[in-house]
Amino acid sequence: DAGVTQSPTHLIKTRGQHVTLRCSPISGHKSVSWYQQVLGQGPQFIFQYYEKEERGRGNFPDRFSARQFPNYSSELNVNALLLGDSALYLCASSWVTSGVGNEQFFGPGTRLTVL
Amino acid sequence: DAKTTQPNSMESNEEEPVHLPCNHSTISGTDYIHWYRQLPSQGPEYVIHGLTSNVNNRMASLAIAEDRKSSTLILHRATLRDAAVYYCILRENAGGTSYGKLTFGQGTILTVHP
Repeated sequence: DAGVTQSPTHLIKTRGQHVTLRCSPISGHKSVSWYQQVLGQGPQFIFQYYEKEERGRGNFPDRFSARQFPNYSSELNVNALLLGDSALYLCASSWVTSGVGNEQFFGPGTRLTVL
Repeated sequence: DAKTTQPNSMESNEEEPVHLPCNHSTISGTDYIHWYRQLPSQGPEYVIHGLTSNVNNRMASLAIAEDRKSSTLILHRATLRDAAVYYCILRENAGGTSYGKLTFGQGTILTVHP
């Protein structure tokens, strides 16, 4: 079975541009979360979506937005890119939003470089 | 979110047991203890979780202190493929407002020597 997939694998942008990152969850998973991982740090929570609704938001500026589609895939959008947005962006999917069995399955990530 | 404290790094020899400690002195009664690991150039991977009792699965064992203020992830026979960053995370049970959020700390970098 396919795991969580993300596209693109790598991306290079310049300051001020915007970027769209895509995620396809494991089949049957209705919850998708996004994380940002700066080099040398643990992943930081950005958003969680469940059944196409935002269910959680981390401490990120409004330049960051996301949405979930009827097929449960998701997009993360970042506007007005800054050098500090350079990071590995991880997508994770799970069966439910919370609960003891809420194991999250992570994709390989999208490496974003902002020049 | 409750905070966890882990050593920055640990080393082990191949085929020896590894005990990765985690302190979580501010844990609440409904927090579950989760462990994830991140291999080089990959996304994090679920390892194990527990509430009060010790837990075993095919990857590892989780030993939880009686007062729940600390826990230890046990890899019974380390292999080179176990070299990774290990994260100890506290998660609210169902009904909490944290939804699916995982709050990662710095984790422990495990080096396994042949």
